[in-house]
Amino acid sequence: DTEVTQTPKHLVMGMTNKKSLKCEQHMGHRAMYWYKQKAKKPPELMFVYSYEKLSINESVPSRFSPECPNSSLLNLHLHALQPEDSALYLCASSPPDTTDTQYFGPGTRLTVL
Amino acid sequence: DQQVKQNSPSLSVQEGRISILNCDYTNSMFDYFLWYKKYPAEGPTFLISISSIKDKNEDGRFTVFLNKSAKHLSLHIVPSQPGDSAVYFCAAADSNTGKLIFGQGTTLQVKP
Repeated sequence: DTEVTQTPKHLVMGMTNKKSLKCEQHMGHRAMYWYKQKAKKPPELMFVYSYEKLSINESVPSRFSPECPNSSLLNLHLHALQPEDSALYLCASSPPDTTDTQYFGPGTRLTVL
Repeated sequence: DQQVKQNSPSLSVQEGRISILNCDYTNSMFDYFLWYKKYPAEGPTFLISISSIKDKNEDGRFTVFLNKSAKHLSLHIVPSQPGDSAVYFCAAADSNTGKLIFGQGTTLQVKP
């Protein structure tokens, strides 16, 4: 089983809203990732959590705030986003003892009005 | 500076024939490579990977070849099927950081 789930599937929000994206995996993976993907572009890494600690922040604006409440769950809190933040947000996880193979969730399609 | 390059944005192949997708990289420290397949509005699906200690890895219709001296890898799909039509991303794993470095993707169209 290599399933990563993400909710919601679609999200439309205004620039003053606060919303959260959720990612879950029950594979015992200890590294979890947030990516942003624009149309016809490769995924861009945003954050990496390793053993529930933030290990990489790719200079992401503070309007994106990640949280890892436990080893199975990863959240991305959104506040005061801009229309250019509209994209597909992907979560991924990778097994312990290796961060090489990442398994992706289906993504959340975010539209900021 | 693009460390992983897929120079062909698109490829069209007849059903039943072989599809060959290519990928080049510049960093000789990369030691693990992956191919992902992506349908529109879905997350990338892991297809196949290869370690730098090998030059070939096969899984069903999918075979990945690695030429370390040329810093080149390729994905062969044979026989190609219409359901293989998707965007294919090559990625290199940076074992020090845990990052995947993606290429720009190649859109494969398999015609019936």
